[in-house]
Amino acid sequence: DTGVSQNPRHKITKRGQNVTFRCDPISEHNRLYWYRQTLGQGPEFLTYFQNEAQLEKSRLLSDRFSAERPKGSFSTLEIQRTEQGDSAMYLCASSLGGANAEAFFGQGTRLTVV
Amino acid sequence: DAKTTQPTSMDCAEGRAANLPCNHSTISGNEYVYWYRQIHSQGPQYIIHGLKNNETNEMASLIITEDRKSSTLILPHATLRDTAVYYCIVSDRTTSGTYKYIFGTGTRLKVLA
Repeated sequence: DTGVSQNPRHKITKRGQNVTFRCDPISEHNRLYWYRQTLGQGPEFLTYFQNEAQLEKSRLLSDRFSAERPKGSFSTLEIQRTEQGDSAMYLCASSLGGANAEAFFGQGTRLTVV
Repeated sequence: DAKTTQPTSMDCAEGRAANLPCNHSTISGNEYVYWYRQIHSQGPQYIIHGLKNNETNEMASLIITEDRKSSTLILPHATLRDTAVYYCIVSDRTTSGTYKYIFGTGTRLKVLA
């Protein structure tokens, strides 16, 4: 399967712990997006990379959140000092360049903070 | 805020066509309309997108009105596996000059046996 891959699929952590998620985009896709989705809501944009450059961050991305894409391939999303409000599905998507290129989503990482 | 409005929910009989409407009255001339669907606990699945011409692929057809202020996604022969939340999205231009999706709450389609 050459789709977008996210790991882990599920993560349970205690409040205050740090967590890191990984996203492997479709190869040759230079754009990579992170979204967050809470129950009953549509996904919310968090951040966007073009190759290794992080070009946009949402106001939702507090200083406890950091995302990287060090070599323009895979990406990581780290949450420090997790809070119960961080419990959500974290989705990664990738696309080719071009203004209208459709994005393909991974299956997401479901985070539960207890 | 999302640039689209959709009905909250719809039902469709299995084997019949499902027609999902979407309003996007503020769409700009170079903005595309995208449709995704999301089955419970999975990531959104791309269905189709278009600019102004009607589009068809193996999954669905997209009909965009001439003024581009609304569109309809058509699933020609709905099956139980088409039960999902369907999102209509008009991409939003980012500060860096590219586009991102702003999702609304979508339409929850239930296909009935």
